Amino acid sequence: DIQMTQSPSSLSASVGDRVTITCQASQDISNYLNWYQQKPGKAPELLIYDASNLQTGVPSRFSGSGSGTHFTFTISSLQPEDFATYYCQQYDNVPITFGQGTRLEIK
Amino acid sequence: QVHLVQSGAEVKKPGASVKVSCKTSGYIFTSYGINWVRQAPGQGLEWMGWISPHNGDTHYAQKFQVRGTMTTDTSTSTAYMELRTLRSDDTAVYYCTRGAGLLSDYWGQGTLVTVSS
Repeated sequence: DIQMTQSPSSLSASVGDRVTITCQASQDISNYLNWYQQKPGKAPELLIYDASNLQTGVPSRFSGSGSGTHFTFTISSLQPEDFATYYCQQYDNVPITFGQGTRLEIK
Repeated sequence: QVHLVQSGAEVKKPGASVKVSCKTSGYIFTSYGINWVRQAPGQGLEWMGWISPHNGDTHYAQKFQVRGTMTTDTSTSTAYMELRTLRSDDTAVYYCTRGAGLLSDYWGQGTLVTVSS
């Protein structure tokens, strides 16, 4: 199975900050990497697919980059509604695997 | 508009079975796969498997190959996930997702399954 190592596991930041989360795959997954946002009690929502493509309707302050084994997810200017948990997910091979999540909290 | 609406919460005893449904609308059911993902309380996301409504092909995560069964009903655009021989560590929220290939682009609201004696 492909292991996805996401860091940090938690992060405190302020409104307006720039935030970056990283995800490392245990083997080459090309660009088959997605980023999801999950708010408490809600289903995850797709933000970024194929490493760098913004899902329709997602604000442009969210972005992703990377390929192979190393990926980054950035929020350029945090908004109050962005405080949530973020997960990376690889879908290059089954079983599909997720990072352990990054909980983004208000400082 | 794409919607996936799941069945309601379940409480089951250890050893029982549960079958969760996922009724879809707003797209051609047979043109996309369905993934099932679960999330134990306070934990991360775990992929369980994928099914093609087009031809019934399935991929299961190894830990669900024996106890889990995914099916679809194309006449009602509904997917089902059955999990047997339930244990306390199967307590989780179970999600169905629309699979554009294996990419989950739309998610159901989740179904809480509680396993308790």
